[in-house]
Amino acid sequence: DIQVTQSPSSLSASVGDRVTITCRTSQGINNYLAWYQQKPGKVPNLLIYAASTLQSGVPSRFSGSGSGTDFTLTISSLQPEDVATYYCQKYNAAPWTFGQGTKVEIK
Amino acid sequence: QVQLQESGPGLVKPSETLSLTCTVSGGSVSTYYWSWIRKPPGKGLEWVGYIHSSGNTNSNPSLKSRVTMSVDTSRNQFSLRLSSVTAADTAVYYCARGGLRYFDWLSDWGQGTLVTVSS
Repeated sequence: DIQVTQSPSSLSASVGDRVTITCRTSQGINNYLAWYQQKPGKVPNLLIYAASTLQSGVPSRFSGSGSGTDFTLTISSLQPEDVATYYCQKYNAAPWTFGQGTKVEIK
Repeated sequence: QVQLQESGPGLVKPSETLSLTCTVSGGSVSTYYWSWIRKPPGKGLEWVGYIHSSGNTNSNPSLKSRVTMSVDTSRNQFSLRLSSVTAADTAVYYCARGGLRYFDWLSDWGQGTLVTVSS
């Protein structure tokens, strides 16, 4: 099975900072990668699919990039409402796998 | 946007079977792929499995021998059964909508339901 490694596990940044989260797969998955945001006590929310396509309604400060085995989620200017845990997920083939999650906090 | 709502017992005894149903509104259960995902307390998201009304189904290898999924087109619902549960199966269980293909992202999620395994 393809392993998914997400890093860092947590980060603390100031409002307005650029934040980058990385997801790496053990084998190439083309661009079959999604990013989700889960705020405390809330339902996961789709941010990015196909590695770089922004879901409708998601603020443009979120962006995704990558293909093959290395992927990145970037928040260009961190806002207080972005406090959440972020997960990547590969969906090219079963078993689907989520990354371990990155908890983002405000410094 | 499709709406999903999970239902089922919040407490299941060890060794028994966990049964959950997801009711779909705003779309046909015959159209898309449907998934179950769970989140144990203090841990991350774990994919349980997906199903399509065509019969195409797949599940997490770590759970496969215990997972049964089904679709009821007459009620616009799909269901999950997880047998021989232990405390490790305690989690918030989410149902979610995939796409038209099995290799699609999860667009819409239910609110989630907490299932506790305890005697």
